[in-house]
Amino acid sequence: DQQVKQNSPSLSVQEGRISILNCDYTNSMFDYFLWYKKYPAEGPTFLISISSIKDKNEDGRFTVFLNKSAKHLSLHIVPSQPGDSAVYFCAAPGGGSNYKLTFGKGTLLTVNP
Amino acid sequence: KAGVTQTPRYLIKTRGQQVTLSCSPISGHRSVSWYQQTPGQGLQFLFEYFSETQRNKGNFPGRFSGRQFSNSRSEMNVSTLELGDSALYLCASTMTGTVFSYGYTFGSGTRLTVV
Repeated sequence: DQQVKQNSPSLSVQEGRISILNCDYTNSMFDYFLWYKKYPAEGPTFLISISSIKDKNEDGRFTVFLNKSAKHLSLHIVPSQPGDSAVYFCAAPGGGSNYKLTFGKGTLLTVNP
Repeated sequence: KAGVTQTPRYLIKTRGQQVTLSCSPISGHRSVSWYQQTPGQGLQFLFEYFSETQRNKGNFPGRFSGRQFSNSRSEMNVSTLELGDSALYLCASTMTGTVFSYGYTFGSGTRLTVV
């Protein structure tokens, strides 16, 4: 039962354009969502989070949008840079004192110069 | 400030052996979690420790175990290794109360290869 899904295994964009990474979830109990970025041979790095009481959170070039009715969130990167090339994971914690993170399978973003 | 430190970085073991991986969290972080990353299954939660107690556990067989010490350092152990245990094992730490705002901080992982 995959509760967090990233249906696009890969995405390729041109430098300077917008990158949009999508994530769907099935568990209505999730009340926080996090995005992580991962380079090969390194651990994931936290990027940005959003609470279910919000529909948007912005941090510099990164914006996450949440559509609760559709159980869908997206990460926008504007403008995209070659250094953004990495695997991006969407994750949700279990809630309350349950700190288990359920991850999507990730999307490989390639930003071409 | 020092990040999450995992040792060793790489390990090769033979089927049937056991292995112990170590994780030192960021100073002040009392919650330590372990994840397994494989190409087919992605990142999967193993267990979480807080103040030396296992607080949450994932769906892994009993061959996978862990513990946390009073200084918050953690170890995980895999006994009777199988080929399918080959993976990147990641440790993450956090301060309780901030995980949803700042997420977990992950270490670089231990790459375990079982031959």
